[in-house]
Amino acid sequence: GQQVMQIPQYQHVQEGEDFTTYCNSSTTLSNIQWYKQRPGGHPVFLIQLVKSGEVKKQKRLTFQFGEAKKNSSLHITATQTTDVGTYFCFSTDSWGKLQFGAGTQVVVTP
Amino acid sequence: NAGVTQTPKFQVLKTGQSMTLQCAQDMNHEYMSWYRQDPGMGLRLIHYSVGAGITDQGEVPNGYNVSRSTTEDFPLRLLSAAPSQTSVYFCASAPSTTGVFHEQYFGPGTRLTVT
Repeated sequence: GQQVMQIPQYQHVQEGEDFTTYCNSSTTLSNIQWYKQRPGGHPVFLIQLVKSGEVKKQKRLTFQFGEAKKNSSLHITATQTTDVGTYFCFSTDSWGKLQFGAGTQVVVTP
Repeated sequence: NAGVTQTPKFQVLKTGQSMTLQCAQDMNHEYMSWYRQDPGMGLRLIHYSVGAGITDQGEVPNGYNVSRSTTEDFPLRLLSAAPSQTSVYFCASAPSTTGVFHEQYFGPGTRLTVT
């Protein structure tokens, strides 16, 4: 069955640095969403990618969907303390299976 | 709009007790779901519903029941609580699932401890 792997599980970043988190699937995905969860909070929707090779930007965040629609990435430039939290990818495959990745926990040090 | 609301925020149960976690949304969303979140395991789908009167199992349904008698409400019932059900539970809703799956709106969560 579909397995969605998210890496890294943990990311320690200095303020001002860039980092990337990846979401990889063993099967082709219909679409992929990214969510952010602040410590003690609930997941909040960030973006949805549907098309092969799609790239979307939100200020310092860049989201990409792979050409084969089997992987996705979230790149954050010039990390700020407000970026602290856990970032999850959420995918649906052609069979309708819904799955969250395990998340990347981001810690930012000033 | 209140969005997605969940009650209670915190709950402690003894093994074998039953209880219902409440979830309501006021956005007229067709899709509602329940997730549990455990450290290092992300969110795992327990049950979901694509409309009133329709429910289906997710990834980890054992020990939980759901019903969807109205569009607004989607309660989750723990039949006989076990320590393995200690977790944070999130309810979520989304607009129609026809075509591309839409963004999910999450409730604030219920932190459940089973002793």
